[in-house]
Amino acid sequence: GAGVSQSPSNKVTEKGKDVELRCDPISGHTALYWYRQSLGQGLEFLIYFQGNSAPDKSGLPSDRFSAERTGGSVSTLTIQRTQQEDSAVYLCASSLARRDLHFGNGTRLTVT
Amino acid sequence: EDQVTQSPEALRLQEGESSSLNCSYTVSGLRGLFWYRQDPGKGPEFLFTLYSAGEEKEKERLKATLTKKESFLHITAPKPEDSATYLCAVEETSGSRLTFGEGTQLTVNP
Repeated sequence: GAGVSQSPSNKVTEKGKDVELRCDPISGHTALYWYRQSLGQGLEFLIYFQGNSAPDKSGLPSDRFSAERTGGSVSTLTIQRTQQEDSAVYLCASSLARRDLHFGNGTRLTVT
Repeated sequence: EDQVTQSPEALRLQEGESSSLNCSYTVSGLRGLFWYRQDPGKGPEFLFTLYSAGEEKEKERLKATLTKKESFLHITAPKPEDSATYLCAVEETSGSRLTFGEGTQLTVNP
């Protein structure tokens, strides 16, 4: 079946611009996660959605970052006024009731 | 704060040369320890979940084991296609996230 789909796969933007990253989770998966992976570093947790519960936003690095999940399915991660340190691969994952996470292939964001 | 440390950072093996990767963790209460494989340009691919000390799981040439402080990923007679970065992650009983280590980059030469 279809896995987690992320778009775009690559995004180059100028410093100061806003970007939106999209994640289509596996159908029926109630949990959705966003992680960030910088070059040579481990995955950094950003935000977690579970069903209709309030999201766990504790990993968002600044108020320039926000995310929403519409209808319990598609999620959008928005980064406002991008900075060069935001350059990374942004990974989305979904799971069924906090079981094994299934990751997409990520969006590689480059801020010039 | 949960901590996950993986060693070595990088490992080069000859085809058929068995070895082990280590994942040491500190967590107040462990709900699960996860192993993932990540190929370049791809997202992590789930391998195993271990829930309690003494548990073992196997998949082809890979076997994961768990103690109260660490987990090992044993690779028996590896092949070049096993080359990848292997990531370890822990989930705390009260938490909602996985905390990842920085990974071990494995290269298996033919």
